[in-house]
Amino acid sequence: GNSVTQMEGPVTLSEEAFLTINCTYTATGYPSLFWYVQYPGEGLQLLLKATKADDKGSNKGFEATYRKETTSFHLEKGSVQVSDSAVYFCALSDNNNDMRFGAGTRLTVKP
Amino acid sequence: DAGVIQSPRHEVTEMGQEVTLRCKPISGHNSLFWYRQTMMRGLELLIYFNNNVPIDDSGMPEDRFSAKMPNASFSTLKIQPSEPRDSAVYFCASNQGVGTDTQYFGPGTRLTVL
Repeated sequence: GNSVTQMEGPVTLSEEAFLTINCTYTATGYPSLFWYVQYPGEGLQLLLKATKADDKGSNKGFEATYRKETTSFHLEKGSVQVSDSAVYFCALSDNNNDMRFGAGTRLTVKP
Repeated sequence: DAGVIQSPRHEVTEMGQEVTLRCKPISGHNSLFWYRQTMMRGLELLIYFNNNVPIDDSGMPEDRFSAKMPNASFSTLKIQPSEPRDSAVYFCASNQGVGTDTQYFGPGTRLTVL
């Protein structure tokens, strides 16, 4: 079945550091890939998505590229801020509206 | 446009009591999802409705849990009787139900069963 594996946390970085959170997937067919972010006490919010191979999703300085050859969708940001502290979830959805989430990676950014 | 609305935001109850969680999806969305989030198990899909019909309830933990969607703008998740291990944050999400559409989440209900 479809599944997502993402880097275990927690991840702690200093402000302005470079961020990478790894995500790999297993799927039949051609799923869409997502990154969601969850701030403390809130629900999950869509951060970015990509719907086909080689697409790059981007938002708020975050980027991820859909790599079919490595079945990956790693999240990156060049310079993190304290306000980026949150839990990040990688997810995939197939044509049956079946969305699978990774376990989440907690990011803490220190000033 | 209002997002997914959930109520209550917090619920504290005693073991054995009935708990009802409520969700209003985004207008025009055809699919609705109930999730449970805990530290131990992460985010789990409990049940998924499409056009008010339950499509997949394989994630519902046991018979104490039930979910209904009487119309396109309202769904409930009921736990009867509640147990301490049901303590979690319960999220409702909705989407248009087409292909690989983004899911939009509500703010969640934090349930504590004493």
